[in-house]
Amino acid sequence: DPKIIQKPKYLVAVTGSEKILICEQYLGHNAMYWYRQSAKKPLEFMFSYSYQKLMDNQTASSRFQPQSSKKNHLDLQITALKPDDSATYFCASSQEDWTAEQFFGPGTRLTVL
Amino acid sequence: GDSVTQTEGPVTVSESESLIINCTYSATSIAYPNLFWYVRYPGEGLQLLLKVITAGQKGSSRGFEATYNKETTSFHLQKASVQESDSAVYYCALGGITGNTGKLIFGLGTTLQVQP
Repeated sequence: DPKIIQKPKYLVAVTGSEKILICEQYLGHNAMYWYRQSAKKPLEFMFSYSYQKLMDNQTASSRFQPQSSKKNHLDLQITALKPDDSATYFCASSQEDWTAEQFFGPGTRLTVL
Repeated sequence: GDSVTQTEGPVTVSESESLIINCTYSATSIAYPNLFWYVRYPGEGLQLLLKVITAGQKGSSRGFEATYNKETTSFHLQKASVQESDSAVYYCALGGITGNTGKLIFGLGTTLQVQP
């Protein structure tokens, strides 16, 4: 059974619209993360949460808003979508030990037209 | 800033040959970051291969080894004899920076193709 679920797997959106990327983890972890990977760029850290509290935000834009409704959920809301937002978005989780292994989800591939 | 540079792929080797994938890092915000190698096998998600959090130490897993060299700021991944099942994308990553928030900085990834 998958331990980290990301929904949807693929997403196509139009410029200016809003989408929510879903992430649920069933590993019992208290820390969760979002990363993004655009074409020909490295995986880029976006946010980290611990016990549902924001620990670090490395995104320059307020259009990206994480939402943690439950301890094992960390969704990502993206508003006013732009073509440059096209990327694969990965959710990850770990124990709350910053040297611990991070477990990654399968990703949501977002294409903004 | 903090960054990771690794061997540009794809790297193609024959089965049973030795392998080295280079990784060097720059860590301006912390003297001794944590170092990781992650791997993505075809059709699978990103997973940890090995990690070393103490300078001078060596990590190993699945026949792969990497030594944390603070003098050369390197963390090269080596294997003495690769197998076809090692074909994957390998990512070097830097952690333990920015006040310990779990942030990892990744390299671009190196695609390894092992020929039978």
